[in-house]
Amino acid sequence: GENVEQHPSTLSVQEGDSAVIKCTYSDSASNYFPWYKQELGKRPQLIIDIRSNVGEKKDQRIAVTLNKTAKHFSLHITETQPEDSAVYFCAASNGFNKFYFGSGTKLNVKP
Amino acid sequence: NAGVTQTPKFQVLKTGQSMTLQCAQDMNHNSMYWYRQDPGMGLRLIYYSASEGTTDKGEVPNGYNVSRLNKREFSLRLESAAPSQTSVYFCASSEDRGQVSVHEQYFGPGTRLTVT
Repeated sequence: GENVEQHPSTLSVQEGDSAVIKCTYSDSASNYFPWYKQELGKRPQLIIDIRSNVGEKKDQRIAVTLNKTAKHFSLHITETQPEDSAVYFCAASNGFNKFYFGSGTKLNVKP
Repeated sequence: NAGVTQTPKFQVLKTGQSMTLQCAQDMNHNSMYWYRQDPGMGLRLIYYSASEGTTDKGEVPNGYNVSRLNKREFSLRLESAAPSQTSVYFCASSEDRGQVSVHEQYFGPGTRLTVT
């Protein structure tokens, strides 16, 4: 099956700085890569996703890049704010209802 | 719309007891999923249902059974609970019909289960 690895496990940045979280995957058939944000005690919520026919996608301060050749994708958050503090999960899917999640990155944005 | 709902929110079981976690969605989604979340391990798929009347195993199905009662409801049953099943359980749904093209998953609020 698919194996998704996520780094770093914890990330601390100063407010206003950028944060980058990286994931690698093993199955070249994976074609959908969502990112979820999970606040303490809450459910995961989708913040951005990218499909394999696209190299980059942006939504305001959030961007995701995908390198299919190297099998890695990254989440970029610019101008971080304290409310960005949460756990972020990457995931990969090749369709057919199978999603594989990374182990999560705890982001702490210091005011 | 309530989205995806789960009951109960919290549960404490003794080893060997059984229970059923309930999940319902009002978005007319085809696919429903059960995940467990353990510290440092992300979310792992237990079972999924691509459509009413079908269910399939995910990564970690041992010790669990599921029922897709109708299009709205998908339940997860622990027949004989073990301490290793202490976890947070999330139900999710999506438009997918088990095809290659994938759609966003919507998660429920979770059930925190402790087995002593």
